[in-house]
Amino acid sequence: DTAVSQTPKYLVTQMGNDKSIKCEQNLGHDTMYWYKQDSKKFLKIMFSYNNKELIINETVPNRFSPKSPDKAHLNLHINSLELGDSAVYFCASSPHSYEQYFGPGTRLTVT
Amino acid sequence: GQQVMQIPQYQHVQEGEDFTTYCNSSTTLSNIQWYKQRPGGHPVFLIQLVKSGEVKKQKRLTFQFGEAKKNSSLHITATQTTDVGTYFCAGWGYRGSTLGRLYFGRGTQLTVWP
Repeated sequence: DTAVSQTPKYLVTQMGNDKSIKCEQNLGHDTMYWYKQDSKKFLKIMFSYNNKELIINETVPNRFSPKSPDKAHLNLHINSLELGDSAVYFCASSPHSYEQYFGPGTRLTVT
Repeated sequence: GQQVMQIPQYQHVQEGEDFTTYCNSSTTLSNIQWYKQRPGGHPVFLIQLVKSGEVKKQKRLTFQFGEAKKNSSLHITATQTTDVGTYFCAGWGYRGSTLGRLYFGRGTQLTVWP
């Protein structure tokens, strides 16, 4: 069984559209994260949830809205997509302060 | 604000040569972790160092955590083509007296020529 799964794996959409990425972990971890990785491989943390509570909210445009319906799921909704949103988005989970388990990533391309 | 600096950004080596990547933090870290991301893949946890001056080995990989818990290094002996990828360090920093969050370095992209 996949520990951290994300859907979709690839997402191609036009500017101005709204899209969602879903993430699920079956590891029983309390903390989940969203990261954005740009073309230069820089991993930038966007959000972190602990037991469905938002604990980290970095400087991210408010077009990005995370939602955690339960501690095993963390979804990311993006409104009014822009060209600069093109990147690979990784979901991750961890027991607090321990190693992070990353999902396979969602490659978002905005045209 | 707190950040973790990692150098070099890119490293190209001939197979069999050694490779080292370095991380430095502006503040004391609780622990430091290392991850490897293969091309097209996702970051995978390699190891965590917690104690001041700690050294750990995994086959040809040697990880060190500095005495002041502000710097770390990953050294690969006799690189192989399977070592290709991006290596990230990530340090848990403090926010006041409590653990804050994980700060990732920018990564070192390693290319190995056969």
